[in-house]
Amino acid sequence: AQSVSQHNHHVILSEAASLELGCNYSYGGTVNLFWYVQYPGQHLQLLLKYFSGDPLVKGIKGFEAEFIKSKFSFNLRKPSVQWSDTAEYFCAVNARRNDYKLSFGAGTTVTVRA
Amino acid sequence: DTAVSQTPKYLVTQMGNDKSIKCEQNLGHDTMYWYKQDSKKFLKIMFSYNNKELIINETVPNRFSPKSPDKAHLNLHINSLELGDSAVYFCASRRTNSPLHFGNGTRLTVT
Repeated sequence: AQSVSQHNHHVILSEAASLELGCNYSYGGTVNLFWYVQYPGQHLQLLLKYFSGDPLVKGIKGFEAEFIKSKFSFNLRKPSVQWSDTAEYFCAVNARRNDYKLSFGAGTTVTVRA
Repeated sequence: DTAVSQTPKYLVTQMGNDKSIKCEQNLGHDTMYWYKQDSKKFLKIMFSYNNKELIINETVPNRFSPKSPDKAHLNLHINSLELGDSAVYFCASRRTNSPLHFGNGTRLTVT
């Protein structure tokens, strides 16, 4: 089945640590890739997106993600997290062969300890 | 200024009741969605409307019925509510092949 997989369900780390969240998808062909973030008590916001071009995408708040087509991956990274990065992170993919219907991963809860 | 607005924000109701959640977007988008975020935080698409026409209808109980009176509105009506319907429901909208804009979510609690 076509799917989006996020490797970690819950990540706990200290401030200033580096963060990497894995995302793999199983769609072939043309895809668009997204990372969304949901801070406690808030709605989902777009963190960054990849449509085409440079596979290293810079997003808001110091986040970046790298699209590796051969690995069907779109991992999210931040070199040094802050307490305010505590949130739920969702990877999402839409694919041309799936009529661009957006599919979400199960989400990763990130807890940053001060 | 709110782009995608849902009402109510919280909804607590008893089993067996019928309830509606409303969604409005002022972005001029042509496609609107309803997603369900369950207790495991997994987001699942439920319905999608494009220009008032249903284009995605995932496998959800027929107790759930979307209604789109115009392009800017997509309401979700739920009949005979069950405990398992408790979740956060997100409305979203977009232009074709552009990022989703989400509403703030409606937390539904069925007791």
